[in-house]
Amino acid sequence: NAGVTQTPKFQVLKTGQSMTLQCAQDMNHEYMSWYRQDPGMGLRLIHYSVGAGITDQGEVPNGYNVSRSTTEDFPLRLLSAAPSQTSVYFCASSYRGQINSPLHFGNGTRLTVT
Amino acid sequence: KNQVEQSPQSLIILEGKNCTLQCNYTVSPFSNLRWYKQDTGRGPVSLTIMTFSENTKSNGRYTATLDADTKQSSLHITASQLSDSASYICVVSHLSSGGSYIPTFGRGTSLIVHP
Repeated sequence: NAGVTQTPKFQVLKTGQSMTLQCAQDMNHEYMSWYRQDPGMGLRLIHYSVGAGITDQGEVPNGYNVSRSTTEDFPLRLLSAAPSQTSVYFCASSYRGQINSPLHFGNGTRLTVT
Repeated sequence: KNQVEQSPQSLIILEGKNCTLQCNYTVSPFSNLRWYKQDTGRGPVSLTIMTFSENTKSNGRYTATLDADTKQSSLHITASQLSDSASYICVVSHLSSGGSYIPTFGRGTSLIVHP
């Protein structure tokens, strides 16, 4: 199993540009989620999904959109990038509703907005 | 507001020594507490998971403890190795009305092991 795969690894955007961060998992996990990690702060939940067709907002959803058309994929869209969105983004997945199910993380996408 | 506080912020130890990292939380209602290890440039990897009824969990040289009454956890690393150099993140989850476990992350403790 590849686990959780994120692409691209690095991206530089200009303010106002749009892009999609890709996330795919091959573990048949129902739960998928996106986080951002900024220096000196803990990971913060952006959006999450408990299954295909179901998404919900996390702690910092503004400026980001998500959709979940399949169990495997959970892309994160930035519609109009801002310098405040410069961060490292992590996607994670787990089994839903299992209290002992750990989150499996990808290796992140480092995004710089100039 | 749900919060997770970790201490110390950073720690330097010599190879072979033991160390203990601390985590205090105010997450409610509590569901589980996890410790993750994050190597530089990589995603976090799960070390231990504990629920309300568990007060200790081991994974090799890593031993986590949980005191649900005082809302404190610790991660003890025995006989440290150079490969233990990483950030250690405490994560406390609560169960949402939709049946999902929503995590709150600590800022992490940066551990450096010197030869």
